[in-house]
Amino acid sequence: GAGVSQSPRYKVAKRGQDVALRCDPISGHVSLFWYQQALGQGPEFLTYFQNEAQLDKSGLPSDRFFAERPEGSVSTLKIQRTQQEDSAVYLCASSLRRGLQETQYFGPGTRLLVL
Amino acid sequence: KQEVTQIPAALSVPEGENLVLNCSFTDSAIYNLQWFRQDPGKGLTSLLLIQSSQREQTSGRLNASLDKSSGRSTLYIAASQPGDSATYLCAVRPFITQGGSEKLVFGKGTKLTVNP
Repeated sequence: GAGVSQSPRYKVAKRGQDVALRCDPISGHVSLFWYQQALGQGPEFLTYFQNEAQLDKSGLPSDRFFAERPEGSVSTLKIQRTQQEDSAVYLCASSLRRGLQETQYFGPGTRLLVL
Repeated sequence: KQEVTQIPAALSVPEGENLVLNCSFTDSAIYNLQWFRQDPGKGLTSLLLIQSSQREQTSGRLNASLDKSSGRSTLYIAASQPGDSATYLCAVRPFITQGGSEKLVFGKGTKLTVNP
């Protein structure tokens, strides 16, 4: 009965470092979403997977951001050459099926601070 | 481009008061609207989901309404308690455009404080 888990919960990176953020969705969930939430803002969509297929990456802010879900379960969001503006909470969500009626279940997020 | 606005940004009320949180969206072409709760350091918890064909949904002390034509939703919390203190986020699910996905578009949230 575990929910969506994310690791690490906190990450401090020096500007220019590469980081990798992990998301473990609820077992069996087909759809997986990544959102970015800056301080005092609402979450903003980054990318969406259906199983292992990345169907929408329109929200990725630059080519420094890359996401994968190679086996259709665990997903990794990678940020290359981090910048201070990348500091935010990165939220992962999953839903059981593809469908507009499906509820998205959110993880606790990874708080990234780039110094 | 769909934009979601929440008013007020912050609200502080005494325990026991009834309160209303407001959400507006610019494009009425949505499938549904959700209200979420976010506690510090934690993820989002879905409170209520209203389909575009519905007018309202209720869960316990919470009631959410939707007026799609005017682009507005309200979340009504009855008999507020200190445990209701959190940030409340409104999100809409826009019609899928070609190549799009089932993403949610969020407002910035209303930070609610209920004082004992």
